[in-house]
Amino acid sequence: DAGVIQSPRHEVTEMGQEVTLRCKPISGHDYLFWYRQTMMRGLELLIYFNNNVPIDDSGMPEDRFSAKMPNASFSTLKIQPSEPRDSAVYFCASIKGGGHYGYTFGSGTRLTVV
Amino acid sequence: ELKVEQNPLFLSMQEGKNYTIYCNYSTTSDRLYWYRQDPGKSLESLFVLLSNGAVKQEGRLMASLDTKARLSTLHITAAVHDLSATYFCAVDLIQGAQKLVFGQGTRLTINP
Repeated sequence: DAGVIQSPRHEVTEMGQEVTLRCKPISGHDYLFWYRQTMMRGLELLIYFNNNVPIDDSGMPEDRFSAKMPNASFSTLKIQPSEPRDSAVYFCASIKGGGHYGYTFGSGTRLTVV
Repeated sequence: ELKVEQNPLFLSMQEGKNYTIYCNYSTTSDRLYWYRQDPGKSLESLFVLLSNGAVKQEGRLMASLDTKARLSTLHITAAVHDLSATYFCAVDLIQGAQKLVFGQGTRLTINP
C-alpha cells in the first residue's frame, strides 16, 4: 500500500489566492482527517469524515476554509481567499473504523502564503 | 475542556542517559497513542496502548498506560542521537469517534 498520499508537497501562493490541498486515503479506511500544524498552535484537527460524510468541522477556522470528500479515495481542503496566517503544514490522515492502530498520516503539504 | 498535556515540552539530554516523557489527559479513555515526528517529516506511529497497565517496548523506547491516573509515560533508555525527534501522545477522548486529541509534543534533542 502506498500509504496516505497528499499533494502538493509544497505550495507557495500569494495572499488572496485560492489554494486546494489534496489527499488520497489508504484503501479501505473509512475515516479521513485534516490537521494543521504550526509552531504556535501545534496539531489542530480541522475536520474529519466518516464514509465520505463530514462528521465534525468545528476546527475549521473560518468560512474561508472548506473540505470535501466526493468519494472514498479522495478529499480536498480548500482555502479561499488565502491569508499569510494560513501558512502551516497541513496533514491528512486516515484510519479504518474499529481498528486499534491509530492514524496513518500523509507526508503533509507545507503551505506558505506571502 | 478536553486536554492532553505533555511534560516536558523540550528536553535536551546526553547520549547514554535515561529519561521519561509524561502525557496527562483530562478525561476517561483507554486508548493512547505515541507518535514520532522528525523535522520536516510526517508523524510515524510508535505505540498503541489499549488498556490499563498496557506496556509496549521497541528498542530503547518503552511506553506504558495508567488509565486510572490518566497518565502515559514514554521512557527512553540509554539514549542515542537517532532518537532525537518530537514525540506526541494522542488520546481517543470520545470512544468510538476515532477522533484523536494530540498533546503539544516533546522536542527531544540527544547530544553526543
